[in-house]
Amino acid sequence: EAGVTQFPSHSVIEKGQTVTLRCDPISGHDNLYWYRRVMGKEIKFLLHFVKESKQDESGMPNNRFLAERTGGTYSTLKVQPAELEDSGVYFCASSPRVAAFGQFFGPGTRLTVL
Amino acid sequence: AQSVTQPDIHITVSEGASLELRCNYSYGATPYLFWYVQSPGQGLQLLLKYFSGDTLVQGIKGFEAEFKRSQSSFNLRKPSVHWSDAAEYFCAAWNQAGTALIFGKGTTLSVSS
Repeated sequence: EAGVTQFPSHSVIEKGQTVTLRCDPISGHDNLYWYRRVMGKEIKFLLHFVKESKQDESGMPNNRFLAERTGGTYSTLKVQPAELEDSGVYFCASSPRVAAFGQFFGPGTRLTVL
Repeated sequence: AQSVTQPDIHITVSEGASLELRCNYSYGATPYLFWYVQSPGQGLQLLLKYFSGDTLVQGIKGFEAEFKRSQSSFNLRKPSVHWSDAAEYFCAAWNQAGTALIFGKGTTLSVSS
């Protein structure tokens, strides 16, 4: 069974540019989560999808971040325009309908904003 | 606010020695607790989880953790560390709404020969 995949693995962009991160969850997982780890800090929750619906986006830093989950399958996280403080590692995770069994994480996308 | 604390940023142990990584949580009710490990270039892998019942839980790779309500702790242990255990370890708990994980800052484990 394929795990959670994320693309790209690493992105380097200039301040003011746009970047789109993609996450493909484990097939059949209704729940999809985005997290972010800024250097030296803890991993923090950004938002949660159940199928294609946003259930909780309380962790999204501001309106420069836009997440979508087309058809309840893969998800994208767009940062537009990117700022220096957006640099970090963005993790995607998915879980089955009964989310308490634990979340399965992807390898993350390392975003560097120069 | 709910939080998870990992007091040790970096720990070095000798190969073959025992290991204990500390984790404390602040949460009124019984939390759902997890330990994850991240090896270089890899994603976070779930080692074990605690929901209820037996307070000593077994995980993968020979790890175990013990939930102690009186100490608000969920420490991770391994009796004999292998060089391949060198990684970063994260303790996490479900938030009160049950919608997301709250992570500690992580503990980096180095294994010396």
